[in-house]
Amino acid sequence: QQQVKQSPQSLIVQKGGISIINCAYENTAFDYFPWYQQFPGKGPALLIAIRPDVSEKKEGRFTISFNKSAKQFSLHIMDSQPGDSATYFCAVYNQGGKLIFGQGTELSVKP
Amino acid sequence: DTEVTQTPKHLVMGMTNKKSLKCEQHMGHRAMYWYKQKAKKPPELMFVYSYEKLSINESVPSRFSPECPNSSLLNLHLHALQPEDSALYLCASGRTINEKLFFGSGTQLSVL
Repeated sequence: QQQVKQSPQSLIVQKGGISIINCAYENTAFDYFPWYQQFPGKGPALLIAIRPDVSEKKEGRFTISFNKSAKQFSLHIMDSQPGDSATYFCAVYNQGGKLIFGQGTELSVKP
Repeated sequence: DTEVTQTPKHLVMGMTNKKSLKCEQHMGHRAMYWYKQKAKKPPELMFVYSYEKLSINESVPSRFSPECPNSSLLNLHLHALQPEDSALYLCASGRTINEKLFFGSGTQLSVL
């Protein structure tokens, strides 16, 4: 079974700080690496995704960094805000074309 | 319309009841999914439909029965569930398999 290791499990950051969440995978069948954001009582929403033809992608305060040789990718949230408090999941596609999620990171941004 | 709509939002049922969850999308997506999510855990794949045909069943117990009546609708029929089946049930859709997924807000199911 495809393993996707996400860390840390929980993260507390002060408002204005940088939040960093890491994800490591074993193998993938499809070169597309998304991060999902989930608020309590809601379904996950696609936040940002990267294809490995680039090593970094930035959308506003959110940046994905990708290291193909190390099979790792990370999410950086710059100028973190209390409204960013949510659970974040990385995900990869396995050989069966199934989207497999990491265990999640519960982010809390303190005012 | 970029929404995946799930009904009901909340459902409480007894172990002998029969109920159904409904999912609808009007984005022209041809891949539709059911996921199950326990509290503080990632979503776990249950079923995948591609072009209205069941393509993946993740060894889900037969008390869960999916149905895809047309390209916009996905149902999950529930019968004789167990208390451990209590969870958030999420529907998702994508243009095709391996395309990015759009999730609904889920149905919070409690089995008494």
